[in-house]
Amino acid sequence: QVQLQESGPGLVKPSETLSLTCAVSGYSISSGYYWGWIRQPPGKGLEWIGSIYHSGSTYYNPSLKSRVTISVDTSKNQFSLKLSSVTAADTAVYYCARVGIVVVTATHFDYWGQGTLVTVSS
Amino acid sequence: QSALTQPASVSGSPGQSITISCTGTSSDVGSYNLVSWYQQHPGKAPKLMIYEVSKRPSGVSNRFSGSKSGNTASLTISGLQAEDEADYYCCSYAGSSTFYFGTGTKVTVL
Repeated sequence: QVQLQESGPGLVKPSETLSLTCAVSGYSISSGYYWGWIRQPPGKGLEWIGSIYHSGSTYYNPSLKSRVTISVDTSKNQFSLKLSSVTAADTAVYYCARVGIVVVTATHFDYWGQGTLVTVSS
Repeated sequence: QSALTQPASVSGSPGQSITISCTGTSSDVGSYNLVSWYQQHPGKAPKLMIYEVSKRPSGVSNRFSGSKSGNTASLTISGLQAEDEADYYCCSYAGSSTFYFGTGTKVTVL
């Protein structure tokens, strides 16, 4: 059974960098699949942030691309999110997820972490 | 490119069928048979209910079905049950390994 668990600070100051890690168990990241980050502001809808292929190739939401970095650490079986220059608008529950594939095309999010609330405030 | 459009709310009585629409563009929903649907109960992570337009993951009730026509995808819940009350989101592949989610629909069981 694939399990994902987000971790990181719950409070980040404006203009600083938000950093989260997603630990994966039950599956080796290096074996395949894409791995992604999705966020949900309080009371609002879901927004795809970006994904990383097990090889390290990255794909980002165009609206966030200039501020986002996703990386993978196969030795620790985890992947990470960094979002720079945060503002109150970045306050959200952040989810990590495995991205299902058809051949090599990312298609859907099949396993999700429980989510972690990150608040941007001074 | 903005979020896919869903109705804000849909309601139905127990046992009835309801359908949630998800309207995108020719660049996402209309171009790929890669629409997925997620159910989210309050305070919980989303759960995959449908992928590749109409496929159900193991363990998901066959009361949930998906379809697509042109730029609009649909999720139908038949035999509505109290446990189906939740928020539902569609999601479409949009090329180059990118995704767009829908605006979300609150389903109320009357």
